[in-house]
Amino acid sequence: EVQLVESGGGLVQPGGSLRLSCAASGFTVSSNYMSWVRQAPGKGLEWVSVIYSGGSTYYADSVKGRFTISRHNSKNTLYLQMNSLRAEDTAVYYCARVEGSGLYYFDYWGQGTLVTVSS
Amino acid sequence: SYVLTQPPSVSVAPGKTARITCGGNNIGSKSVHWYQQKPGQAPVLVIYYDSDRPSGIPERFSGSNSGNTATLTISRVEAGDEADYYCQVWDSSSDHPNWVFGGGTKLTVL
Repeated sequence: EVQLVESGGGLVQPGGSLRLSCAASGFTVSSNYMSWVRQAPGKGLEWVSVIYSGGSTYYADSVKGRFTISRHNSKNTLYLQMNSLRAEDTAVYYCARVEGSGLYYFDYWGQGTLVTVSS
Repeated sequence: SYVLTQPPSVSVAPGKTARITCGGNNIGSKSVHWYQQKPGQAPVLVIYYDSDRPSGIPERFSGSNSGNTATLTISRVEAGDEADYYCQVWDSSSDHPNWVFGGGTKLTVL
């Protein structure tokens, strides 16, 4: 059974840093495309970042240069390092597995972890 | 960047058919995916590749896509279908891949 479990969220001051983790089971993270998607309170879904199975990484313009996506193959875990955090980064962050052949969608999602950026 | 437009809300009586639209420029040339999100829960994929259903999703959920509009249709609506629904496409037209979501539609079962 595929499972994704996020952790690492919490309250952080503006300008601070936080690292989110997403532990996967039931499949191999490094063999799949993996993404982070966030949802600000009361708002819609926003794609944040993706890491391809080959290691290429891409980011939404809103987080480029501040966030870094990575993975630990032996731990089967996905990460999101978030630096220079802003109030507008406050959101529930979901990790999701990417599926599809060139027409990509998210077939499995974690339960999410809340990040609050506030002084 | 590519923009998807959804109505903020749709209301339907139990047993009737709900149709949630997703508008985009020539969206018919793209593959559209749909997610259901209930309060306090993670999104769940309900339709992929315009009209395919993942295992476990009732046949009452169907999708179509043509021209500038994609549509999620829920037949014989039940109280448990009340949720937010999001459409999504993958866009490769810019210098980096981009997963685009619509703004979401709140489905209310009257």
